Amino acid sequence: EPEVTQTPSHQVTQMGQEVILRCVPISNHLYFYWYRQILGQKVEFLVSFYNNEISEKSEIFDDQFSVERPDGSNFTLKIRSTKLEDSAMYFCASRKLQKQETQYFGPGTRLLVL
Amino acid sequence: SQQGEEDPQALSIQEGENATMNCSYKTSINNLQWYRQNSGRGLVHLILIRSNEREKHSGRLRVTLDTSKKSSSLLITASRAADTASYFCATVTQAGTALIFGKGTTLSVSS
Repeated sequence: EPEVTQTPSHQVTQMGQEVILRCVPISNHLYFYWYRQILGQKVEFLVSFYNNEISEKSEIFDDQFSVERPDGSNFTLKIRSTKLEDSAMYFCASRKLQKQETQYFGPGTRLLVL
Repeated sequence: SQQGEEDPQALSIQEGENATMNCSYKTSINNLQWYRQNSGRGLVHLILIRSNEREKHSGRLRVTLDTSKKSSSLLITASRAADTASYFCATVTQAGTALIFGKGTTLSVSS
């Protein structure tokens, strides 16, 4: 069964450094998402991406964040200058075109900012 | 806010018992989805119920949706120790495409 994959599984970085989190969505999916979950808290929406542009974003997704689909398979989340509070599990998700389709999540990248 | 909020926050039961978790939300939805998360792991999709549906079944899972009360419930029948996890409801509004998650119910099933 196709699944969303994410790399790396864990990343440790110093405050102020740039990180790029990578995702490979399911191949016939058209909507892509990033969510994050700070330890012990609920999952929060960051951004959605469709047709090579951001379709929706939350207040969390400020100028420090950017997303890109550099080729036909990868979907990336870049954090330009990491802060301690960016430490979280970051999940990528994808779905087919219709809104009533399931969003499938990847296993997550655990980011720790020191 | 259009969050889903689960109730109870934590639930402890014995194997073989049924577990019921409830979710409430605040705005009109397109669909509601239930996810499961084992400690520190990814989110596994369990079931999706559309706004025009009232009940859905999948194996030992039964989900109901009452749009007039803006609430949903997830019933796990004949629970097993392997069902121990956190369960989240998440809504997709009519306006957006993002999933809005609740805080989750932590289910512990002891053998």
